[in-house]
Amino acid sequence: AQSVSQHNHHVILSEAASLELGCNYSYGGTVNLFWYVQYPGQHLQLLLKYFSGDPLVKGIKGFEAEFIKSKFSFNLRKPSVQWSDTAEYFCAAAGGYQKVTFGTGTKLQVIP
Amino acid sequence: DVKVTQSSRYLVKRTGEKVFLECVQDMDHENMFWYRQDPGLGLRLIYFSYDVKMKEKGDIPEGYSVSREKKERFSLILESASTNQTSMYLCASTLRRNQETQYFGPGTRLLVL
Repeated sequence: AQSVSQHNHHVILSEAASLELGCNYSYGGTVNLFWYVQYPGQHLQLLLKYFSGDPLVKGIKGFEAEFIKSKFSFNLRKPSVQWSDTAEYFCAAAGGYQKVTFGTGTKLQVIP
Repeated sequence: DVKVTQSSRYLVKRTGEKVFLECVQDMDHENMFWYRQDPGLGLRLIYFSYDVKMKEKGDIPEGYSVSREKKERFSLILESASTNQTSMYLCASTLRRNQETQYFGPGTRLLVL
């Protein structure tokens, strides 16, 4: 069965710091990859996704992620975080015709 | 914009009660999903449906059932609620395939006493 690992459960950063959240998946074939975000009190929404093509994908609010097939990774990055980025971030993967599997989430707290 | 709505934001039920959680999507999506979200465990799939009257078990179906009588509506049923079913329940939908972008509802926070 496929699995998704998020290494950081809770990250605390000061505003303007750079962010990198790790995500590794276990599926070896063609895979669709996602990052979702849940802002406090709001519903989960898509941040960015990778289906094929350029392994560096850009999402909303200045976020980007890089698909590295050899490392089975899809890490999320942002050069300079803002207080409004405080949220919980979920990585997800869907391999082949399998259903989507979510990671356990990373809570990001940005201190002004 | 796709809109996914859930019947309640908060529910309080007693152990043993039968609980119905309703989800409606307005974009003619074929696939619908029910997850529960618990701290440190992320989202775990309970059931999903790829067509009217069709359902498939997810990773944690025990204690739950589902109903999809109409394309836009997907119901989650707790036959006899237990305290370990206290959780946040999220409904989601995708257009055609279950590997596509998921659109989530606001969630129902269920407390079973």
